[in-house]
Amino acid sequence: GDKVKQSPSALSLQEGTNSALRCNFSIAATTVQWFLQNPRGSLINLFYLVPGTKENGRLKSAFDSKESYSTLHIRDAQLEDSGTYFCAVFYGSSGNKLIFGIGTLLSVKP
Amino acid sequence: GPKVLQIPSHQIIDMGQMVTLNCDPVSNHLYFYWYKQILGQQMEFLVNFYNGKVMEKSKLFKDQFSVERPDGSYFTLKIQPTALEDSAVYFCASSLGRRSGNTLYFGEGSRLIVV
Repeated sequence: GDKVKQSPSALSLQEGTNSALRCNFSIAATTVQWFLQNPRGSLINLFYLVPGTKENGRLKSAFDSKESYSTLHIRDAQLEDSGTYFCAVFYGSSGNKLIFGIGTLLSVKP
Repeated sequence: GPKVLQIPSHQIIDMGQMVTLNCDPVSNHLYFYWYKQILGQQMEFLVNFYNGKVMEKSKLFKDQFSVERPDGSYFTLKIQPTALEDSAVYFCASSLGRRSGNTLYFGEGSRLIVV
């Protein structure tokens, strides 16, 4: 968990508002993946990023490899956005080990 | 999107017994992984596997753990014997390539309860 730090650890949003989650890395990362683990426990792929930005509907993610961070912006939050958001980066001697942060628990309230 | 299937979804087992968790990865994927998650906490890497061999394993991958993919069938995680601390959700994942080139796709998890 120390190699990939996520903030905040928990967040409560009113439906319709916007927010940003952040991931800081203490290791050299060339790609980032963002996942949503829904309340049922399923891991949903949100983004796979090289340095730059991607947008998908109400979600937008950015990855700055030089500054070693990534962000996930949620616009117009909906109840179904609730869950735990994980960022993860590749690391390890084989170069093929995805290391996860501890996650941000998001609760969207009506 | 691509689907990774895991069987069983839930299993309760007596401590000391053997358990095999099965994973059907995405059909053209070459790299396979197991992760362990306790009570909705962090996803912890256990092992990755390619071309019939373990490439890397973590400290959580105890001697009682083994993985294999015989003849391109299920990618399995076997725990023998099980211990109470093995209770967790085990996620299988697969990817097409290595290093930073490819997305990992995860299954729905196998919830293991050791009593």
